[in-house]
Amino acid sequence: EAGVTQFPSHSVIEKGQTVTLRCDPISGHDNLYWYRRVMGKEIKFLLHFVKESKQDESGMPNNRFLAERTGGTYSTLKVQPAELEDSGVYFCASSQDRHSNQPQHFGDGTRLSIL
Amino acid sequence: GIQVEQSPPDLILQEGANSTLRCNFSDSVNNLQWFHQNPWGQLINLFYIPSGTKQNGRLSATTVATERYSLLYISSSQTTDSGVYFCAVLSAGNNRKLIWGLGTSLAVNP
Repeated sequence: EAGVTQFPSHSVIEKGQTVTLRCDPISGHDNLYWYRRVMGKEIKFLLHFVKESKQDESGMPNNRFLAERTGGTYSTLKVQPAELEDSGVYFCASSQDRHSNQPQHFGDGTRLSIL
Repeated sequence: GIQVEQSPPDLILQEGANSTLRCNFSDSVNNLQWFHQNPWGQLINLFYIPSGTKQNGRLSATTVATERYSLLYISSSQTTDSGVYFCAVLSAGNNRKLIWGLGTSLAVNP
């Protein structure tokens, strides 16, 4: 079974540019989550999809961030325009539906560097 | 909301030593996971352990849910164990977002 895959693994862009991160969850997992670790601080929740619907987007920092999951399969996270403080590692995770007490499986992350 | 505290924040070991990392949480949880973030930034899922004890090679974990803590044991540490160890919990209820501790930064010296 393939795990959660994220692309790209590393992205370096200049302030003001746009970047789109992609996440492919484990096949059959309805729940998809985005987290990030910024500036060596703690990992924080960004948002949660159930299939194509945003279940909880309370962690999205501002309107420069847009997450989509069209068709309920893969998800994209777009940052536009990118700011210096957006640098960090962005993680995607997925889990099976039905119960909250299922482990979340994480991808390798996308390391985003804003210059 | 639920608070997650990890200790110690930093740890330096000689190769071959044993260590115990602790995670305290302030409320009932449905899920507790231990992760290792390696020097390349990848998050490796170590244990899914809302309660009880599990072992995987040189690593084992115990969660005492009634007393709201979990322990991660590393035996015969190796340099490849270096990195940051995170504890993350799901609070009881319908909330699905993992709440993370600040991590324990471990350096294993040869």
